[in-house]
Amino acid sequence: EIVLTQSPATLSLSPGERATLSCRASQSVSSYLAWYQQKPGQAPRLLIYDASNRATGIPPRFSGSGSGTDFTLTISSLEPEDFAVYYCQQRSSWPLTFGPGTKVDIK
Amino acid sequence: QVQLQESGPGLVKPSDTLSLTCTVSGASISTYYWSWIRQPPGKGLEWIAYIYYSGTTKYNPSLKSRGTMSVDTSKNQFSLKLNSVTAADTAVYYCARGTPYGSGENFDYWGQGTLVTVSS
Repeated sequence: EIVLTQSPATLSLSPGERATLSCRASQSVSSYLAWYQQKPGQAPRLLIYDASNRATGIPPRFSGSGSGTDFTLTISSLEPEDFAVYYCQQRSSWPLTFGPGTKVDIK
Repeated sequence: QVQLQESGPGLVKPSDTLSLTCTVSGASISTYYWSWIRQPPGKGLEWIAYIYYSGTTKYNPSLKSRGTMSVDTSKNQFSLKLNSVTAADTAVYYCARGTPYGSGENFDYWGQGTLVTVSS
């Protein structure tokens, strides 16, 4: 099973600041990594798939990069609605696995 | 507008079988892969299993062969049964649609989630 590690666990930032979230895989997942956003009481929302492709309707301030074992989700300028928990997920091998999440909260 | 809605008991006794159904509207169940994903209270996400309308299934080995998925194309529904449940199975259970690319291993539409508590 591929284990995903996310850092930091919590990121405290102000609106307008840039957020950089990291996801590391225990072995190569090629580019088969996705990012989701989850707000309290809501289902996750797909943001990025295959490392760098924005899902339908996702604003351009969200971008993803990386390949192999190291990946980054960048939010270029935080909007109030971006404060949430972010999960990475790999689809390189079974079982599909998620990272433990990074919480982005308001500083 | 694609919508998914989970249904099933909110409380299940230990050693019993958890049964959930997901009703899909706005998309044909015969076109995509469909998954169950769960989230214990205050914790992260765990993919449980997926099914294709043809009956092809994959399960997370962490279930230790306790899970069974099925699909009812006439009702545009799919289901999950998880037997011999314990308190560790307490979670919010989400049904989700697999994305159109690959074999549906990412998830673009989700239900709102249903909390299932395992307790006597």
